[in-house]
Amino acid sequence: DIVMTQSPPSLPVTPGEPASISCRSSQSLLHSNGYNYLDWYVQKPGQSPQLLIYLGSNRASGVPDRFSGSGSGTDFTLKISRVEAEDVGVYYCMQVLDTPGFTFGPGTKVDIK
Amino acid sequence: EVQLVESGGGLVKPGGSLRLSCAASGFTFNSFAMNWVRQAPGKGLEWVSSIGTGSSFIYYADSVRGRFTISRDDAKNSLYLQMNSLRAEDTAVYYCARDRAVAGANHFDYWGQGTLVTVSS
Repeated sequence: DIVMTQSPPSLPVTPGEPASISCRSSQSLLHSNGYNYLDWYVQKPGQSPQLLIYLGSNRASGVPDRFSGSGSGTDFTLKISRVEAEDVGVYYCMQVLDTPGFTFGPGTKVDIK
Repeated sequence: EVQLVESGGGLVKPGGSLRLSCAASGFTFNSFAMNWVRQAPGKGLEWVSSIGTGSSFIYYADSVRGRFTISRDDAKNSLYLQMNSLRAEDTAVYYCARDRAVAGANHFDYWGQGTLVTVSS
């Protein structure tokens, strides 16, 4: 199974400042088609998870452009260019290369300082 | 508007059974694979099972294989999860999620609100 790790586990942020979350996989998520099979989800307090980024760097529909995903192979980053109060929640990366056997990272909790 | 509404959760004793349902609307249900994902209280997300269009494929996590059965009824726009031999560690909120395939990969683009399953004596 592909194991996903994230850092930091908790990230206090200041509104207006940038934030960055790291995600690493135990195996490369780079498919032979050139895409990285890595998604990012956010679960805001009291809500269901929602898709943020798919295939490593593509924003899902309706996701603000302050969110960006980057990386390849085993190392990935989610960046928020300027954090807003509504961005608090738990952010998860998820690998979708290993079919069946999708696995999520443990999550990074983002809250306001 | 895409909507996914889970139901069927509740309190069940260890060894018992429960059937979860997910009612879909706002999209052509038979054109999408579907998934179940769960979240134990205070914990992270765990993928449970996937079913393809026309039940073309069915996948399970190792933790539930042989005990859970995923199915779908396209005529009723519904997804199901039959859970047998339930254990305390199956206690979780169970979400159904629509699967949007892009570049051969699966992405969970819409999620329901979840239904809580509690396994306790």
